[in-house]
Amino acid sequence: KAGVTQTPRYLIKTRGQQVTLSCSPISGHRSVSWYQQTPGQGLQFLFEYFSETQRNKGNFPGRFSGRQFSNSRSEMNVSTLELGDSALYLCASSQAGQGADTQYFGPGTRLTVL
Amino acid sequence: AQKITQTQPGMFVQEKEAVTLDCTYDTSDPSYGLFWYKQPSSGEMIFLIYQGSYDQQNATEGRYSLNFQKARKSANLVISASQLGDSAMYFCAMRELGYSGNTPLVFGKGTRLSVIA
Repeated sequence: KAGVTQTPRYLIKTRGQQVTLSCSPISGHRSVSWYQQTPGQGLQFLFEYFSETQRNKGNFPGRFSGRQFSNSRSEMNVSTLELGDSALYLCASSQAGQGADTQYFGPGTRLTVL
Repeated sequence: AQKITQTQPGMFVQEKEAVTLDCTYDTSDPSYGLFWYKQPSSGEMIFLIYQGSYDQQNATEGRYSLNFQKARKSANLVISASQLGDSAMYFCAMRELGYSGNTPLVFGKGTRLSVIA
């Protein structure tokens, strides 16, 4: 079974621009979660989608948004980029995203904001 | 609120030796799950092992085992017979399972393990 894939792997943007990151979950997984990882703040939860609905949201400003499609693929968008948005963005999928469900992560998208 | 603490920012271990990575947690939910992930320099988080709060036995997966001490709220990862490929960041994470069925994973700050030949 193919793992979680994320595109693009690397991205360089300038302040004020917007960016869209994509995540394809493991086949059969319906839950997709997004995390931001920075050296200072560590791994922080952004949001989770299940069956095209946002089920959980972390403490991030409204510039961060996401969506999930009927095939469970998910995208996240960051508008009006700031220098502090430079980070590794990780996507994780699981079957139902509840309880003891294990989340499997993709390789991440490394975003650099100049 | 749930919290994970990993007190060892970095550790060194000799190849073929065993090593223990510490993790303590805090939660008021009696039902929870504990996860360990490995993150090599490539960035991908690799799932290693899971322990449920009601599991009677410590979890094991190959060379990985979890030393679960519920009363102390600790869930230490033990890696036996360390290999050079074990050099990576290791994260402990927790999810509460009781009060709300779909709380997100909360991660610790991680421990960087370096295996020396």
